Amino acid sequence: EAEVAQSPRYKITEKSQAVAFWCDPISGHATLYWYRQILGQGPELLVQFQDESVVDDSQLPKDRFSAERLKGVDSTLKIQPAELGDSAMYLCASSLGQTKETQYFGPGTRLLVL
Amino acid sequence: SQQGEEDPQALSIQEGENATMNCSYKTSINNLQWYRQNSGRGLVHLILIRSNEREKHSGRLRVTLDTSKKSSSLLITASRAADTASYFCARRGGYQKVTFGIGTKLQVIP
Repeated sequence: EAEVAQSPRYKITEKSQAVAFWCDPISGHATLYWYRQILGQGPELLVQFQDESVVDDSQLPKDRFSAERLKGVDSTLKIQPAELGDSAMYLCASSLGQTKETQYFGPGTRLLVL
Repeated sequence: SQQGEEDPQALSIQEGENATMNCSYKTSINNLQWYRQNSGRGLVHLILIRSNEREKHSGRLRVTLDTSKKSSSLLITASRAADTASYFCARRGGYQKVTFGIGTKLQVIP
């Protein structure tokens, strides 16, 4: 069964350093989502792509976060510089399209900023 | 920010009992979905109910939706230890925006 791949699974970094997360969605899925999930809370949408275009990044802290999906397939989420409050699980999900409601989630990247 | 609430935030039951979780929201929705998350893992889609539907079933899961009260409930019948997880409702509203709640943490005691 096709799955969403994410790497790394775990990342420990010091504040002010740069970190990057990678996501490979299920083949053929046009919509890709990045979520941040703080411990004990639900996922919060950071950015949503339709193919290579950003359709929603209203909750993305653009002063330090950036996301790209250059060829409309895999995607990278970057944080520079990382802050202590960025410690969280970063989840990637994909769906067939914006109107295809079911999202398939990857295992996530757990980030710890020291 | 996250809209709405799940209730209760934590639930502990004995294996074989039924578990009921509730989700409330504030703005109109196109559909509402329930997801399960095992500890430290990604989310798994369980069931979707559209705004014009009132009830849906999938195996041991039963979801209801009351748009007049802006609430939904997830019932897991004959619970198993493997059902231990966090359960989230996700509302899809305008512009296809999906919003997750804070979740209900379910523990099923063998």
